[in-house]
Amino acid sequence: AQSVTQLDSQVPVFEEAPVELRCNYSSSVSVYLFWYVQYPNQGLQLLLKYLSGSTLVKGINGFEAEFNKSQTSFHLRKPSVHISDTAEYFCAVSDGRYKLSFGAGTTVTVRA
Amino acid sequence: SAVISQKPSRDICQRGTSLTIQCQVDSQVTMMFWYRQQPGQSLTLIATANQGSEATYESGFVIDKFPISRPNLTFSTLTVSNMSPEDSSIYLCSVEEPALSYNEQFFGPGTRLTVL
Repeated sequence: AQSVTQLDSQVPVFEEAPVELRCNYSSSVSVYLFWYVQYPNQGLQLLLKYLSGSTLVKGINGFEAEFNKSQTSFHLRKPSVHISDTAEYFCAVSDGRYKLSFGAGTTVTVRA
Repeated sequence: SAVISQKPSRDICQRGTSLTIQCQVDSQVTMMFWYRQQPGQSLTLIATANQGSEATYESGFVIDKFPISRPNLTFSTLTVSNMSPEDSSIYLCSVEEPALSYNEQFFGPGTRLTVL
C-alpha cells in the first residue's frame, strides 16, 4: 500500500515570490507521482507527473517538481507565483495499478 | 486528454432523499472512478466503475448507499442514497486514459452537494 504526506496544509506567499510545496510518499514498490491543482470551485487539473527518467519534471504554468528516491519526496516549486496560482494543490502516488492515493492537500494563497 | 462533464454541477437536497450524479466522457474509456471530497479535505476513492461489471467499492463505501451504473464506455452515474448532512461533499468522477499505463487520471468539474 502507498501513502502520501503533504507537509504543509497552508502556504501564504507574496506575489512574485518563490513557493515550494512539500510531498513525501511511502510505497513498497516503484511509483508514479503526480501533482494536481484545484482552482476555486473547479475540478482537478494535472500540473505534472513523474514516471521515470530525469528526476526534474517540468509542468504547466511554470511549475516543476523534483523526484528524490532516497528521501521519498516529490516537492513542487515555482520560482515566481502569481495571484492566479491561488489554489489547492494535491500530491498523488500510484503503484502502477488503478488506484491513486492523494495527500491531504496544500492551500496556496498568493497575496499582492 | 478526455473531456469530462458532470451533472448537476451543484445541488441542495433534503435529508432522506437521493441524488443521482451523471458523468459523461467525450471518448471511450475502460475505467471510471468516483471520488468524494469532504469540505476542506482530500479526495477519497468511493469506487471503480468498469463497463459490463459490478462496481468495485473501497473500504467504508457500500453499494446500498452509493449505487453506481456504467451502461457504456462513455457514461456513468453515482447515486447518493438516503442522504444525511454528512454526505455534503464534492463528488468527482475521473477516467483513466486507456493508452496510458501509469494511472494518469482526468477529472470532471465535480458536483457540489449540500444536504440540509
